[in-house]
Amino acid sequence: EPEVTQTPSHQVTQMGQEVILRCVPISNHLYFYWYRQILGQKVEFLVSFYNNEISEKSEIFDDQFSVERPDGSNFTLKIRSTKLEDSAMYFCASNEQPNEKLFFGSGTQLSVL
Amino acid sequence: SQKIEQNSEALNIQEGKTATLTCNYTNYSPAYLQWYRQDPGRGPVFLLLIRENEKEKRKERLKVTFDTTLKQSLFHITASQPADSATYLCALALYSSASKIIFGSGTRLSIRP
Repeated sequence: EPEVTQTPSHQVTQMGQEVILRCVPISNHLYFYWYRQILGQKVEFLVSFYNNEISEKSEIFDDQFSVERPDGSNFTLKIRSTKLEDSAMYFCASNEQPNEKLFFGSGTQLSVL
Repeated sequence: SQKIEQNSEALNIQEGKTATLTCNYTNYSPAYLQWYRQDPGRGPVFLLLIRENEKEKRKERLKVTFDTTLKQSLFHITASQPADSATYLCALALYSSASKIIFGSGTRLSIRP
């Protein structure tokens, strides 16, 4: 079965540094998403992306965050200046149609020191 | 305020019994309601989707009901097995936000042999 792939699986960074999390969604999917999950808490929506534009974003997704589809396969999440509270598991997801089932990647565990 | 609540943080039942998990929501108008399974350190995996005009959906040992009057979904696992032990998440896909699926905090299900 096709999979969403995420790299790296773990990322450790210093506070204030920029990080880029990478995702390759399933090839025929058109809608892409980033979610995050702080340890022991719920899966939180960050942003959705369609047709090279942000469709929806949450209050968490402030000016420090950006997303990009730099080529035909990758979908990236950039955090410009990381804070301690950005430490979380970040999941990329995709689907064929909005509101239909999401396919998640295995996540990038981000640790900000 | 808008909320998605899953009945209990943890549920512990005997192998072979039926597990019933509850998802209640307030101040949302979902078009679809979805259920996912999440294992520790992994991304959520889609299980079932039910539309607002559907009362019940089944897949193998899984059954979901959706009552838009009560604003509630029930998720049943019949003939439960230790391998069913995981966290189960309900998620709402909204009319008002075409590409935003939001998750409840989950119920951690443990099946004891």
